[in-house]
Amino acid sequence: QTVVTQEPSFSVSPGGTVTLTCALSSGSVSTSYYPSWYQQTPGQAPRTLIYSTNTRSSGVPDRFSGSILGNKAALTITGAQADDESYYYCVLYMGSGIWVFGGGTKLTVL
Amino acid sequence: EVQLLESGGGLVQPGGSLRLSCAAPGFTFSTYAMTWVRQAPGKGLEWVSTISGSGSTYYADSVKGRFTISRDNSKNTLYLQMYSLRAEDTAVYYCAKSVGPTKSDGIDYWGQGTLVTVSS
Repeated sequence: QTVVTQEPSFSVSPGGTVTLTCALSSGSVSTSYYPSWYQQTPGQAPRTLIYSTNTRSSGVPDRFSGSILGNKAALTITGAQADDESYYYCVLYMGSGIWVFGGGTKLTVL
Repeated sequence: EVQLLESGGGLVQPGGSLRLSCAAPGFTFSTYAMTWVRQAPGKGLEWVSTISGSGSTYYADSVKGRFTISRDNSKNTLYLQMYSLRAEDTAVYYCAKSVGPTKSDGIDYWGQGTLVTVSS
């Protein structure tokens, strides 16, 4: 059973930079996993930020960026703003049509 | 403008059935893969099922054999037929559009979700 792991929580100061990561329980994340990132505030539907590792979804500001860092997928937020305080989820494509979400990271901006 | 409008959620008894629908006006529905993702109360997101633009279907192990995803391209509508429902299927179910037609294309747009509650 493949597990996708994210930091449970993270905090960043307003204006600061934060990098959230998405790892596999075994093995390295590569572009072949087509990592995507979603933002969700409580009570709202998710919003797509990044798909296919580093492609920003329509309307997403360029202070959100995706990459592969070492053996993990990464979401970097530069110039953090108060309304970036949300849950962030990654998802990885495992092949054969199967996707697995990470458990999500609660980002606090303070 | 892409719109994804889910319906069909509600309260159902354990062992019962329910069919969710997702109306998808505003884009060429037939050329995109579509996905259902669910979120149990207070929990994270869980991938449920994807149907490619050509109609191939894929399921999470947790729902395989109990749920059926389908699409009617003439009605621009996605469906999720759910059988043998269990308490652990209680969740908000989101309809989502992929960026392309294949099973490995990521999601770009999400609906607002429909709540399914399985309880006696």
